[in-house]
Amino acid sequence: NAGVMQNPRHLVRRRGQEARLRCSPMKGHSHVYWYRQLPEEGLKFMVYLQKENIIDESGMPKERFSAEFPKEGPSILRIQQVVRGDSAAYFCASSETYDSYTEAFFGQGTRLTVV
Amino acid sequence: AQSVTQPDIHITVSEGASLELRCNYSYGATPYLFWYVQSPGQGLQLLLKYFSGDTLVQGIKGFEAEFKRSQSSFNLRKPSVHWSDAAEYFCAVGAGNTGTASKLTFGTGTRLQVTL
Repeated sequence: NAGVMQNPRHLVRRRGQEARLRCSPMKGHSHVYWYRQLPEEGLKFMVYLQKENIIDESGMPKERFSAEFPKEGPSILRIQQVVRGDSAAYFCASSETYDSYTEAFFGQGTRLTVV
Repeated sequence: AQSVTQPDIHITVSEGASLELRCNYSYGATPYLFWYVQSPGQGLQLLLKYFSGDTLVQGIKGFEAEFKRSQSSFNLRKPSVHWSDAAEYFCAVGAGNTGTASKLTFGTGTRLQVTL
């Protein structure tokens, strides 16, 4: 059973371009969470999705950021018109169920660099 | 709102010495607590977790942590550190009242350096 797969591992974008980060959850997991780790900081929750639904996006910036988790395929975190401050590591986690004892498994992250 | 404090940004220990990494949390209800390790360029790996029951939790790689409700602490310990333990360690608290332990609030991390 493969773990949470994120791609690309490293992504370089020029200011103003779009960044697309992909996350394939573990087999059998239908709950996906995105976190952002800014340099020298801990991870910050961004968004929680289930298949075809955004459940909690309280940590998402109001503009330029969006996330989806379609019925088929990976979850996508999209950042439009990237700026230098978007440079960070973006981690995806998945879990099997939504209950108080569910463990989330993390991917290796996508390191976004905006130049 | 929940929060996690890791007061030590950077710790250096000698190989073979004991280790304790501090973690204090703020949470209104029963917390779900985690320790993760992040090696350079890698993702997070779960070391151990506490949901309920025995307050001394055993994890992987010889780590353990003790939940102390009176001190709002969940310190990570290891009796004898190995050079391969050098990494960043994150303490996290789960939003148990939302029905999942997976929406986590992380501390800022403690970077462990091991000298030979």
